[in-house]
Amino acid sequence: NAGVTQTPKFRILKIGQSMTLQCTQDMNHNYMYWYRQDPGMGLKLIYYSVGAGITDKGEVPNGYNVSRSTTEDFPLRLELAAPSQTSVYFCASTPRAGSSYNSPLHFGNGTRLTVT
Amino acid sequence: KQEVTQIPAALSVPEGENLVLNCSFTDSAIYNLQWFRQDPGKGLTSLLLIQSSQREQTSGRLNASLDKSSGRSTLYIAASQPGDSATYLCAVINYGGSQGNLIFGKGTKLSVKP
Repeated sequence: NAGVTQTPKFRILKIGQSMTLQCTQDMNHNYMYWYRQDPGMGLKLIYYSVGAGITDKGEVPNGYNVSRSTTEDFPLRLELAAPSQTSVYFCASTPRAGSSYNSPLHFGNGTRLTVT
Repeated sequence: KQEVTQIPAALSVPEGENLVLNCSFTDSAIYNLQWFRQDPGKGLTSLLLIQSSQREQTSGRLNASLDKSSGRSTLYIAASQPGDSATYLCAVINYGGSQGNLIFGKGTKLSVKP
């Protein structure tokens, strides 16, 4: 009963380094999302995917890339890490039936990233 | 642009007290409103989802209401317990927004003292 699994839990990067945040879900959900949460702020959408092979930008996509080659996996790539990308990153998924968005989101436990 | 506001930002109550958390939103064209709980260092757990056609949802000691016309939702917690201590976030899905994207408030940090 894993749900949404994110790795790693913590990471420290130097400016200019790159890394991939992993997200996988075992619920066969078609919709997946990446959010970032800064201290004292709500969550902001980075990228989302409505199914394998389909991705689109959210509110704050600059500096990030994603891919969705399978239903289960939705990795988030940081190419040139900057201090502004210091944040907690959450992956989420939800099923969607027809035209309804009335299924709750399931979140992973997050990746805490520090860029120095 | 949809904005979601939660008041108060923090709340401390003694154990056993009933309490209300508030959420307001500026655009009433929403698909649904969701309440989440976030424990320190953890992800978000969905508590209640109220569809736009509904007025309230209940789960155990939790009751969430929705008044779309006034742009308000409340989360009522009955007989609070120390285990209820967490940050509570509300979020809405807009019609016409990114597919199913939630617009979040900043949360209310609740502390229930034994």
